[in-house]
Amino acid sequence: NAGVTQTPKFQVLKTGQSMTLQCAQDMNHEYMSWYRQDPGMGLRLIHYSVGAGITDQGEVPNGYNVSRSTTEDFPLRLLSAAPSQTSVYFCASSSQGAAGNQPQHFGDGTRLSIL
Amino acid sequence: AQSVTQPDIHITVSEGASLELRCNYSYGATPYLFWYVQSPGQGLQLLLKYFSGDTLVQGIKGFEAEFKRSQSSFNLRKPSVHWSDAAEYFCAVGAGSGGGADGLTFGKGTHLIIQP
Repeated sequence: NAGVTQTPKFQVLKTGQSMTLQCAQDMNHEYMSWYRQDPGMGLRLIHYSVGAGITDQGEVPNGYNVSRSTTEDFPLRLLSAAPSQTSVYFCASSSQGAAGNQPQHFGDGTRLSIL
Repeated sequence: AQSVTQPDIHITVSEGASLELRCNYSYGATPYLFWYVQSPGQGLQLLLKYFSGDTLVQGIKGFEAEFKRSQSSFNLRKPSVHWSDAAEYFCAVGAGSGGGADGLTFGKGTHLIIQP
């Protein structure tokens, strides 16, 4: 069983380029989210979705866009990459649509470097 | 807003010794509490969770944690660590109201080093 799949695993971009980080889950989870992990900062929530067609901002949403056209997919878009967005990005999903009361299932992460 | 503090950035423990990782949270209502482990280059794996009921919860890999409301703590313990336990450990709190719209709030992590 695949769980949460993130692609690509690694990516290098130049400042100003755009890119989409892909996230797919096969557990029929309603809730999906994106976090970024930076040294000494733990994980910080970027955007989340409680179901298809519904998204909202987390703690650090600036510079990122999301959409949720299907239950399975939750892509994260960087419209104009900046060096401050160099980070490791994790996608997560959970059941029942409520973010806080169910364990999150995490993907293996996308390591993104912006030059 | 909820917050999580993990006071220890690094902890070094001898193999076979006991372990306690500290976690303090701030949340106005009943929290939902989690401990996750992250091995190098990997995603996060859930060790255990507390929602309600018995304040001592058992998790995978021989870990347990105790919820102490009076101390706003949820410390992780293991009686005897193995070299494979070396990893980064994250405590997290989720909104307990059921709305949960803000996702999980994570602590900054504790890096566990196991020495022979």
